[in-house]
Amino acid sequence: NAGVMQNPRHLVRRRGQEARLRCSPMKGHSHVYWYRQLPEEGLKFMVYLQKENIIDESGMPKERFSAEFPKEGPSILRIQQVVRGDSAAYFCASQGAYEQYFGPGTRLTVT
Amino acid sequence: ELKVEQNPLFLSMQEGKNYTIYCNYSTTSDRLYWYRQDPGKSLESLFVLLSNGAVKQEGRLMASLDTKARLSTLHITAAVHDLSATYFCAANFGNEKLTFGTGTRLTIIP
Repeated sequence: NAGVMQNPRHLVRRRGQEARLRCSPMKGHSHVYWYRQLPEEGLKFMVYLQKENIIDESGMPKERFSAEFPKEGPSILRIQQVVRGDSAAYFCASQGAYEQYFGPGTRLTVT
Repeated sequence: ELKVEQNPLFLSMQEGKNYTIYCNYSTTSDRLYWYRQDPGKSLESLFVLLSNGAVKQEGRLMASLDTKARLSTLHITAAVHDLSATYFCAANFGNEKLTFGTGTRLTIIP
């Protein structure tokens, strides 16, 4: 039973480029959460999605960030025109009966 | 405002000693979680606490929940080096997203 999968694990982008982060939830799970962890900090909620639906995007920055979870395929977190402050670890989690299971994360470095 | 506060932020302990990490939260929470994170790694689920008075134990770690005081504790008994990590508590407040504490970086000294 595969866990939550994320790719890539490490991503380097220059300022102004786009970053695409992918997340496949655990088998049978249809709810995905994205969190961001800045260096030396806790995780901060960004967005909660079901298949084809954004349920809660209250933690998403208003500009440059978007997320989707299509009917087929992984959830995508997209960051346009990246800036140095976007450098962080981005984790996705899928919802089980009582808890969220976290993927290995994507570490984004903006140079 | 939904807040989860942990203390201490940093903790150095000698092997064999006992200590407690505290987690306070600002309003009624459905569930309280404890996670462990090793440097550069993801989060490993340790405990899910669902109700007032809940106590769970796994090895040298024990977690408890007091919903009236809005307090959870993670107690470490007879610490060993491989418990060195950052520990996070998290709560959900009537919705499914988690609000995390700032973490406690635990270092066990031989």
